[in-house]
Amino acid sequence: DIQMTQSPSTLSASVGDRVTITCRASQSISTWLAWYQQKPGKAPNLLIYKASSLESGVPSRFSGSGSGTDFTLTISSLQPDDFATYYCQQYNSYSWTFGQGTKVEIK
Amino acid sequence: EVQLLESGGGLVQPGGSLRLSCAASGFTFSSYAMSWVRQAPGKGLEWVSTISGSGGSTYYADSVKGRFTISRDSSKNTLYLQMNSLRAEDTAVYYCAKSTGYCSSTSCYEHYFAYWGQGTLVTVSS
Repeated sequence: DIQMTQSPSTLSASVGDRVTITCRASQSISTWLAWYQQKPGKAPNLLIYKASSLESGVPSRFSGSGSGTDFTLTISSLQPDDFATYYCQQYNSYSWTFGQGTKVEIK
Repeated sequence: EVQLLESGGGLVQPGGSLRLSCAASGFTFSSYAMSWVRQAPGKGLEWVSTISGSGGSTYYADSVKGRFTISRDSSKNTLYLQMNSLRAEDTAVYYCAKSTGYCSSTSCYEHYFAYWGQGTLVTVSS
């Protein structure tokens, strides 16, 4: 199975900060990567697919990049609604795996 | 509007069984692969199982293979997860999720999840 490793596990930031989360795959997954946002008690919400494609309705301050094994999710200017946990997911091959999550906290 | 509504969660003893259901609406149910994803309390997301649109292909995580069975009824637009031989480590919120892509007999493609249900809690404890 492909292992997905996110860093950092927790990130403290302020409103207006530029935030970057990293996701590394244990083997190449081309650009078959998605990013999700999850708030406490809620289902995950798709932000990015195919590494850099923005899901409809997602604010443009979210962006994704990378290919192969290294990927990033960037929030250009952190907003109060963005404090949440973020997960990457590879869909290159069965079995489909998620990263362990990155919690973005208020500094 | 796509809607997914899970039901069937609850408290069950170790070794027991439970069947989860997910009622789907707002899209052509038989055209899309469907999945179950779970989240243990305070933990991350774990893909559990996927079934193709036709129901002819199924996929399982190693952690549940041989104990869980995924199925679907297109006449009722409903997805199921039969969970047998339940263990404490199966305790989690179980989400139903609609795949964007499709599955062949060997794998699934564009297999990420734009739509999720609200989740149903399964607690395995004596």
